[in-house]
Amino acid sequence: NAGVMQNPRHLVRRRGQEARLRCSPMKGHSHVYWYRQLPEEGLKFMVYLQKENIIDESGMPKERFSAEFPKEGPSILRIQQVVRGDSAAYFCASSRQSEQYFGPGTRLTVT
Amino acid sequence: AQSVTQLGSHVSVSEGALVLLRCNYSSSVPPYLFWYVQYPNQGLQLLLKYTSAATLVKGINGFEAEFKKSETSFHLTKPSAHMSDAAEYFCAVSDSAGNTPLVFGKGTRLSVIA
Repeated sequence: NAGVMQNPRHLVRRRGQEARLRCSPMKGHSHVYWYRQLPEEGLKFMVYLQKENIIDESGMPKERFSAEFPKEGPSILRIQQVVRGDSAAYFCASSRQSEQYFGPGTRLTVT
Repeated sequence: AQSVTQLGSHVSVSEGALVLLRCNYSSSVPPYLFWYVQYPNQGLQLLLKYTSAATLVKGINGFEAEFKKSETSFHLTKPSAHMSDAAEYFCAVSDSAGNTPLVFGKGTRLSVIA
């Protein structure tokens, strides 16, 4: 049973470009969480989704950030017009009932 | 609102020595508590979790943690450190055992000296 998969593992974008981060949950998991880890910081919750629904986006910045988890396919975290402050590691976790399993993360660098 | 404080951003121990990583939480409801380990350039792996059953929780790799309500603490221990334990450790809290977001501490980097 494959774990949570994230791609790309590393992503470099210039300021103003768009970043798309993908997360494929574990088989049978219908809950997806996105967290952001800034340097020297712990993980901060961004958004919680179930299939086709955003359940909690209280940690998501109001502008430029969006997330989806379509009926088919991976969950996508989209960052428009990236700025240097968006440079971070973005982790996805999935769960079926309670325990969250984390992916290896996508490290975004904005130049 | 829930919060987690991890005392000591960096802890260094000798191989074979006791490992003690501190975690204090704040929660207005009975908490569910977790310890995760992160190896360089990898995701987080669950070490152990407290979900209102036994207060002493045993996890993987010889780690254990004790929930102390009176001290609002959930410290992580291991009797004898191994070189492979060198990693970043995160304590986290949630307000239920179900599907809710986790609130993480800032992490403690453990170094093990030969």
